[in-house]
Amino acid sequence: AQSVAQPEDQVNVAEGNPLTVKCTYSVSGNPYLFWYVQYPNRGLQFLLKYITGDNLVKGSYGFEAEFNKSQTSFHLKKPSALVSDSALYFCAVRDRAGYSTLTFGKGTMLLVSP
Amino acid sequence: DGGITQSPKYLFRKEGQNVTLSCEQNLNHDAMYWYRQDPGQGLRLIYYSQIVNDFQKGDIAEGYSVSREKKESFPLTVTSAQKNPTAFYLCASSITSDRMETQYFGPGTRLLVL
Repeated sequence: AQSVAQPEDQVNVAEGNPLTVKCTYSVSGNPYLFWYVQYPNRGLQFLLKYITGDNLVKGSYGFEAEFNKSQTSFHLKKPSALVSDSALYFCAVRDRAGYSTLTFGKGTMLLVSP
Repeated sequence: DGGITQSPKYLFRKEGQNVTLSCEQNLNHDAMYWYRQDPGQGLRLIYYSQIVNDFQKGDIAEGYSVSREKKESFPLTVTSAQKNPTAFYLCASSITSDRMETQYFGPGTRLLVL
């Protein structure tokens, strides 16, 4: 079985400060990892994904994420937060082998204060 | 304007009634998916289709049905057997069902029970 944990229901950060949204995963093999963002009453927007290669993945809107195999983590980061980054963020994982659909974490609400 | 459309935006269901949610994509994607989103639970897979005229159950298929008669369309019917249908329903598609492919989401339909 595969699973994703987002240990923080909410992250608060001041505008201009760096932000981190945490994600850890569990798969039987090697993972494909994804981050999505959701604004209120909207669908999910794709931010970035890890497939293979460089452990630091750069994505949309200045976000990046670092794949750490030993810690089974894929934390989302941004050097300088904007108020407009306030939204619900989802991490998702899919095993490379065996029967596997995309499994989502429960989401982390990011609130950026002015 | 390419993308995924879902209609209606809001849908009201009476007790014992079947309702159908529409999902259309003009991205020429082979694979399509239906997810259910409940507060604090992330997204859960209802059904998915890898190709026209084929579909498989996801993790929470009971009380739902789908069809895939056209590549562009993947409607979801919420039947009277689904006892707790109130949720936000999201349709997604990907170029293929390959695990590394990104899933792109529609704007969602919110289903409420009268």
